[in-house]
Amino acid sequence: GESVGLHLPTLSVQEGDNSIINCAYSNSASDYFIWYKQESGKGPQFIIDIRSNMDKRQGQRVTVLLNKTVKHLSLQIAATQPGDSAVYFCAEIHMNSGYSTLTFGKGTMLLVSP
Amino acid sequence: NAGVMQNPRHLVRRRGQEARLRCSPMKGHSHVYWYRQLPEEGLKFMVYLQKENIIDESGMPKERFSAEFPKEGPSILRIQQVVRGDSAAYFCASSRSTGNNEQFFGPGTRLTVL
Repeated sequence: GESVGLHLPTLSVQEGDNSIINCAYSNSASDYFIWYKQESGKGPQFIIDIRSNMDKRQGQRVTVLLNKTVKHLSLQIAATQPGDSAVYFCAEIHMNSGYSTLTFGKGTMLLVSP
Repeated sequence: NAGVMQNPRHLVRRRGQEARLRCSPMKGHSHVYWYRQLPEEGLKFMVYLQKENIIDESGMPKERFSAEFPKEGPSILRIQQVVRGDSAAYFCASSRSTGNNEQFFGPGTRLTVL
């Protein structure tokens, strides 16, 4: 079946570095993607989203890039801070007869060292 | 302005017992989604409910699992005759409407089956 998955399970960076977290998806019909951050013991927290008719979207310190040709999504975090340490999930939005459900990838753990 | 609330946060059950997980959506939200997360996995969609209606239960096991969202009170995810494989974190999310793609997640209930 269709799925969303990630290339790297763990990413370790130094504080101040830029981080790039990648995600591959297989459902070319998806029209919407979201990046979530999940800290230990907490629920996923919305970071940024992007529609399939966009290539790039920027937020505060974060940028999401979408390459529909190769079905690849990435999250770039600028000047990574220790507080960014968490598991990051990409999620694919499925539209089902007027409502949407999320399909999550497996996740990448980001570890930021001071 | 309280977010999505879930209780209990931690639940321990012995095999064969019943587990009841509660979710109170954000104020003004009438759409509730339940997800299950196994260790080091992404969240998997289980069921989507609106007040008094199950809209999509395609991700929920056909046996032992049930969900409801009554007119008054929280949404309940019920697992009968729990088995060790039910041990997981169960997250609830809510949204204001189907047109709004942003789902806000609760802190989750961690179920441990002994």
